[in-house]
This record gives sequence, C-alpha cells and structure tokens, in this order.
Amino acid sequence: NAGVTQTPKFQVLKTGQSMTLQCAQDMNHNSMYWYRQDPGMGLRLIYYSASEGTTDKGEVPNGYNVSRLNKREFSLRLESAAPSQTSVYFCASNQGTQETQYFGPGTRLLVL
Amino acid sequence: AQSVTQPDIHITVSEGASLELRCNYSYGATPYLFWYVQSPGQGLQLLLKYFSGDTLVQGIKGFEAEFKRSQSSFNLRKPSVHWSDAAEYFCAVGAIGTYKYIFGTGTRLKVLA
Repeated sequence: NAGVTQTPKFQVLKTGQSMTLQCAQDMNHNSMYWYRQDPGMGLRLIYYSASEGTTDKGEVPNGYNVSRLNKREFSLRLESAAPSQTSVYFCASNQGTQETQYFGPGTRLLVL
Repeated sequence: AQSVTQPDIHITVSEGASLELRCNYSYGATPYLFWYVQSPGQGLQLLLKYFSGDTLVQGIKGFEAEFKRSQSSFNLRKPSVHWSDAAEYFCAVGAIGTYKYIFGTGTRLKVLA
C-alpha cells in the first residue's frame, strides 16, 4: 500500500512554462485535494474533488487547473507558471467530509 | 469566517520536558478538529482528531489534545518530549458538511538534548 504518491518530487520552471503535477492514491478514497504550503501561511487549499467526476475551487485556485482522471488520480496543472507559484504542493485524499486526510510527500516547485 | 490560529511560531523545549502547543479556532458551531505533524521534507501525518464525545483525545506517539468549547481551543500536549518529536505541527478545522479543511500556520518544535 503506497498511500498517496506524487510526481515529480522537485521541479524548476521558467516563468511562462507549463507543467502538470501528478497525484495518485491506492486507498479507494472518494475525495482528493491539492494544497500549497508557503512559509508562515500553513496549507492553503487550491482545488478539491469530492468524488470522481467533480472538481471545485478552494481558497487559492487562480493560475491552476485540475483534472480528476479517475478515482485514483488527480492532477494539478500550471498553464503559465509565475514566480508567485513557487511553493511546496501537497496532494491529499480521504473518504469524505470530516474524514482524516492522508497526504503525499509533496512536490517542491521553483519558478524562476 | 472560519479560521485557525496557532499563536506560537516556534517553541523550544528540552528533551523530557512537557509540551503544550496552542490552537484556537473561530467557527459558528463545533467543528471537526485535527492535529497533524510534518517532519522535514515529508508530508503531513495525522496525530489525533476530535469529532464529538470525550473532550480529551488520545493520539499516536503519546500525544493528547483537549477540546475546550468555552475557549474555542484544541491544545496539543505531551508529558515528556523525545528528540524525535522535533517537527512542525499543524492544527486544522474541518468545516461541517463541506470538504474544506482550514489549517493553522504551524508551530515548529525544536527539542534540545
């Protein structure tokens, strides 16, 4: 049981480049989430998917898009990266509302 | 609006000493409350959670937390800290009926040998 996996672990982008962060879970969870973590700001929700086929905006969705590819996979896309998107990105999953979230190891992104 | 406040950015304790990390929340009703721990370079791991019932909650690694409705607090405690407890700790609130979890800004714990 791998839990929640994320790829890549590290990425450096130039301003304006695009990339997709991948997330997969093997716990048969219904809900998946993308957060960003910045110093002194804790974790902020970017997007979430309550169930397969649905996605919704979180607190900081601007500049991002998501795809819930199937029940296992939830990707985050940066269409035109900006330095303000330099952050650590975490994917999480759980069975539903009020349930414990399980986190992946994170992706460190640097946008130059 | 819902919010979570962790007043202490950094805390340093000696190994073997007791620990209390503070968490205050703002919410219209009783929320679902969580404490997570993050070791350097790692994701977050759940320590404990409170949904209802007994206000003193036991978690993993010898941690406990007490929900105090009158103070809107959910402080994390450990009677004797180990060097391996050095990490960052996050308090989080689950908004009832939604999928949105609100995290505090975290408290970084340093343990002196």
